[in-house]
Amino acid sequence: ETGVTQSPTHLIKTRGQQVTLRCSSQSGHNTVSWYQQALGQGPQFIFQYYREEENGRGNFPPRFSGLQFPNYSSELNVNALELDDSALYLCASNRGGSYNEQFFGPGTRLTVL
Amino acid sequence: DAKTTQPPSMDCAEGRAANLPCNHSTISGNEYVYWYRQIHSQGPQYIIHGLKNNETNEMASLIITEDRKSSTLILPHATLRDTAVYYCIVSHDQGGKLIFGQGTELSVKP
Repeated sequence: ETGVTQSPTHLIKTRGQQVTLRCSSQSGHNTVSWYQQALGQGPQFIFQYYREEENGRGNFPPRFSGLQFPNYSSELNVNALELDDSALYLCASNRGGSYNEQFFGPGTRLTVL
Repeated sequence: DAKTTQPPSMDCAEGRAANLPCNHSTISGNEYVYWYRQIHSQGPQYIIHGLKNNETNEMASLIITEDRKSSTLILPHATLRDTAVYYCIVSHDQGGKLIFGQGTELSVKP
């Protein structure tokens, strides 16, 4: 286990609703990245937060937003849920400036009905 | 799009070496090669990375060709617990985004 925790583990929402996913980074890590992994695909980068500021974003619409808190934990918010948002959402943390040895949490499985 | 090409699947006998290839012909001089793996229903796990020299750690060895256009991840004595999807990633970002491709699904068989 990496020390990165995510909550909840599973979540079911209906189309149009909003969802908040949470991530606690590994101790000593100030950078958090979020990824979306659809079934049978590799993870896709959503965005990254470094010291509470967004530090890079992938090809995701603005209804995907995030926050990082002073303790470096993070939230991913998704508004106006669509069926295609059903996926495993992964959080990864690392020390800022370090090489890409990112430590991943177990993920949150989101199902949109 | 991912900048690497990997075979979609491979089999390996338990106790034998697993050699996973990766092509990255467009790699630039400041890009590193990273390997991660993802065991079913878990988050990806970092394995190893390198720039141009071969690297070894307690999990695996990474062999990078002299022209850096391809690499091979070697698991010296594969076990059933090594069954996973293995991702080869090239990136110059330090602590930045990782672009995952489809990976190689390695099945280690008794």
